[in-house]
Amino acid sequence: AQSVTQLGSHVSVSEGALVLLRCNYSSSVPPYLFWYVQYPNQGLQLLLKYTTGATLVKGINGFEAEFKKSETSFHLTKPSAHMSDAAEYFCAVSDREGTYKYIFGTGTRLKVLA
Amino acid sequence: DAGVIQSPRHEVTEMGQEVTLRCKPISGHDYLFWYRQTMMRGLELLIYFNNNVPIDDSGMPEDRFSAKMPNASFSTLKIQPSEPRDSAVYFCASRPASTDTQYFGPGTRLTVL
Repeated sequence: AQSVTQLGSHVSVSEGALVLLRCNYSSSVPPYLFWYVQYPNQGLQLLLKYTTGATLVKGINGFEAEFKKSETSFHLTKPSAHMSDAAEYFCAVSDREGTYKYIFGTGTRLKVLA
Repeated sequence: DAGVIQSPRHEVTEMGQEVTLRCKPISGHDYLFWYRQTMMRGLELLIYFNNNVPIDDSGMPEDRFSAKMPNASFSTLKIQPSEPRDSAVYFCASRPASTDTQYFGPGTRLTVL
């Protein structure tokens, strides 16, 4: 069965510092991988996704993530945090065939300090 | 496109009452998903539809929960009778057959007193 682990339910960074949010998955075959962001009182918005091809994926708002099969990881990074990045971030996986049902991680709340 | 539309945005009700949450997916999307978000359990998939047909309802917590999709542009999630532990944010999402990306609505925050 697939599963997703997000290390760190809360992460704080200073404005301008590197953002690193961790996501590891467990799956018998490499799944599709997604990062979503949720701003307060809003729905989830897709940041980026990996399905096939280049393992370094660039998304919106300057975020990127790298799929590392050997480490079963899909960590999210941004070189320089902005105050507007404060939100909750969810990693999700889905299978490559059939339903494309998502399994979400527990989320990481990012706080950006001035 | 207006995106996925959910109503109401907030619902406060008393234990034992019937609650109906509504969702209008993005036009042309073949799949519709209902999720529940709580602090304790995070985001859980309750049920999803393909072309208006329920495909997997294994996430529906109990018989008090039911979902319907009478046509391609409307779905409901009903809780009868409601209980305080049903308090959560309920999200609807849709996606077309041609992509793996789901598009989420703004959610309905349900409070059962």
